[in-house]
Amino acid sequence: GQSLEQPSEVTAVEGAIVQINCTYQTSGFYGLSWYQQHDGGAPTFLSYNALDGLEETGRFSSFLSRSDSYGYLLLQELQMKDSASYFCAVRGHTGGFKTIFGAGTRLFVKA
Amino acid sequence: DTGVSQNPRHKITKRGQNVTFRCDPISEHNRLYWYRQTLGQGPEFLTYFQNEAQLEKSRLLSDRFSAERPKGSFSTLEIQRTEQGDSAMYLCASSLVTESSYEQYFGPGTRLTVT
Repeated sequence: GQSLEQPSEVTAVEGAIVQINCTYQTSGFYGLSWYQQHDGGAPTFLSYNALDGLEETGRFSSFLSRSDSYGYLLLQELQMKDSASYFCAVRGHTGGFKTIFGAGTRLFVKA
Repeated sequence: DTGVSQNPRHKITKRGQNVTFRCDPISEHNRLYWYRQTLGQGPEFLTYFQNEAQLEKSRLLSDRFSAERPKGSFSTLEIQRTEQGDSAMYLCASSLVTESSYEQYFGPGTRLTVT
């Protein structure tokens, strides 16, 4: 089957850098995605890694190590509006190409 | 607005009743997904379509749940004989799958409350 593990909560101060880790188990791995969800809102796509390495998009970066079944989301220059839940999601192949989401990491940004 | 839309946004029903939700994806997207999300959890995969074909259905999904996507456009999710455990946010997402990206665009969801 497929499973993901990520910390349930992270707290950081405004302007700081925070890293949210994700480890996964899947067969036929295709890629790891990250989504942000504010309270009461829909998940919104942040990044997708299919190959090892770092992908940078503005203040957010995402890293993947396929050999370690591990990835992380790096948020720089934290702002209050970054307070949200962050989900890693793995696209694997266990009889299909569905995407499985982790339980999410709730990020609290303090002033 | 050309995003994913879902109707209704909220639904309150009594246990045992049937409910149907609708999702209109982004028009050029070929894949459509249904998820269920409860408080403090990530979206839980229910089923997905490639055009009009339903390619996979979660083993967690009982036979009370059925989804359709006639003509590969909008989709409906029906829950028969609702139970209190069905109370959740039902999310629809669509995507245009390429080799380099797998971004899913989510709709605002339908919040179901079973009393």
